[in-house]
Amino acid sequence: KAGVTQTPRYLIKTRGQQVTLSCSPISGHRSVSWYQQTPGQGLQFLFEYFSETQRNKGNFPGRFSGRQFSNSRSEMNVSTLELGDSALYLCASSLVPSGGTQETQYFGPGTRLLVL
Amino acid sequence: GEDVEQSLFLSVREGDSSVINCTYTDSSSTYLYWYKQEPGAGLQLLTYIFSNMDMKQDQRLTVLLNKKDKHLSLRIADTQTGDSAIYFCAERVQIGGYQKVTFGIGTKLQVIP
Repeated sequence: KAGVTQTPRYLIKTRGQQVTLSCSPISGHRSVSWYQQTPGQGLQFLFEYFSETQRNKGNFPGRFSGRQFSNSRSEMNVSTLELGDSALYLCASSLVPSGGTQETQYFGPGTRLLVL
Repeated sequence: GEDVEQSLFLSVREGDSSVINCTYTDSSSTYLYWYKQEPGAGLQLLTYIFSNMDMKQDQRLTVLLNKKDKHLSLRIADTQTGDSAIYFCAERVQIGGYQKVTFGIGTKLQVIP
């Protein structure tokens, strides 16, 4: 069974641009969560999607948005990029929504975004 | 608000037990988690505990939860060099209609052969 895949793996953008990151969950998994990891702020939860609906979200500005498609693939979009958005963006998939009785998450390798 | 704190560094000898500690502030947490991140190997959900439990054991891992003191610990028995990694504590809380996960800064575990 293929693991969680994220594309692209590396990305360089300039301030003010926008970026779209993609995450393909493990086959059969319907929940996708996104996280940001930076040296300064550490790991932060962005949002979670299940069955094409955003179920949970963290404390990020509206420039950060996401969506999930009917095949459970998810995209995350950041508009008007700032230098501080440089980070490793991780996605994780699980069979059921997080916070339920079954907590098994599988993480992708991440997309490393550098904003210049 | 939610805040999760953990020490930055722990060094143990191979074969000893490791205990990584974490404190959290939000008493309405539903689940508490331990994640492991190895260099170049990505992030991994190690184990979790539901907030109404005191203890959970999973092979070499023991999670203890003291709700009164808002203290969570992860004990690794017979620590191996392969356990060297950064361990993140996290709590899930309900805020309005959403749930949110807050992470600690991570504890770097160094296992000395």
